[in-house]
Amino acid sequence: DVKVTQSSRYLVKRTGEKVFLECVQDMDHENMFWYRQDPGLGLRLIYFSYDVKMKEKGDIPEGYSVSREKKERFSLILESASTNQTSMYLCASSSPQVETQYFGPGTRLLVL
Amino acid sequence: SQQGEEDPQALSIQEGENATMNCSYKTSINNLQWYRQNSGRGLVHLILIRSNEREKHSGRLRVTLDTSKKSSSLLITASRAADTASYFCSPFSGGYNKLIFGAGTRLAVHP
Repeated sequence: DVKVTQSSRYLVKRTGEKVFLECVQDMDHENMFWYRQDPGLGLRLIYFSYDVKMKEKGDIPEGYSVSREKKERFSLILESASTNQTSMYLCASSSPQVETQYFGPGTRLLVL
Repeated sequence: SQQGEEDPQALSIQEGENATMNCSYKTSINNLQWYRQNSGRGLVHLILIRSNEREKHSGRLRVTLDTSKKSSSLLITASRAADTASYFCSPFSGGYNKLIFGAGTRLAVHP
């Protein structure tokens, strides 16, 4: 079974802190994605990566950066956390040959 | 890729009844995918239907696709309380498997 894991299920941080959200997949997928999900807004794509060291902005990249040093790991970085970044963060991966995405369990981040 | 619009936003039914959710989109697609999300969890892929297919089945799920109307429907037959979840469609037009998700349909199945 494809497995996508995220480093934390729940996280509480203070405004201004640097926050790292880690995502690891074990299926050798080329593509990895970070979304945030807020009530009534659905899932919004923050960044995605189609190869190691490659990244592309999604729809809402402001306030975020990403890192993909290894194929299996995709990190989302909040350089200076703000209260409006309180959200559910979802990581996903896929391969070019199979169009479906596989999601991690999500990280619920609260910024105080 | 483009966002699908799910309808209705919320659906409440009794166990054993059928649940139908609809999805509309705007431009031509390669395929359309349906996902389920249980409360507070990640999304799980349910079914993919390609643009040259009209209907697809998987267990109690039936998906139809009408490319002329740019719409799809997901039917869950003989629903169970465990089907309570949000359901999302994602029309896919190509490019890095980048999917876009709308707000989904929240389904509540009451015992």
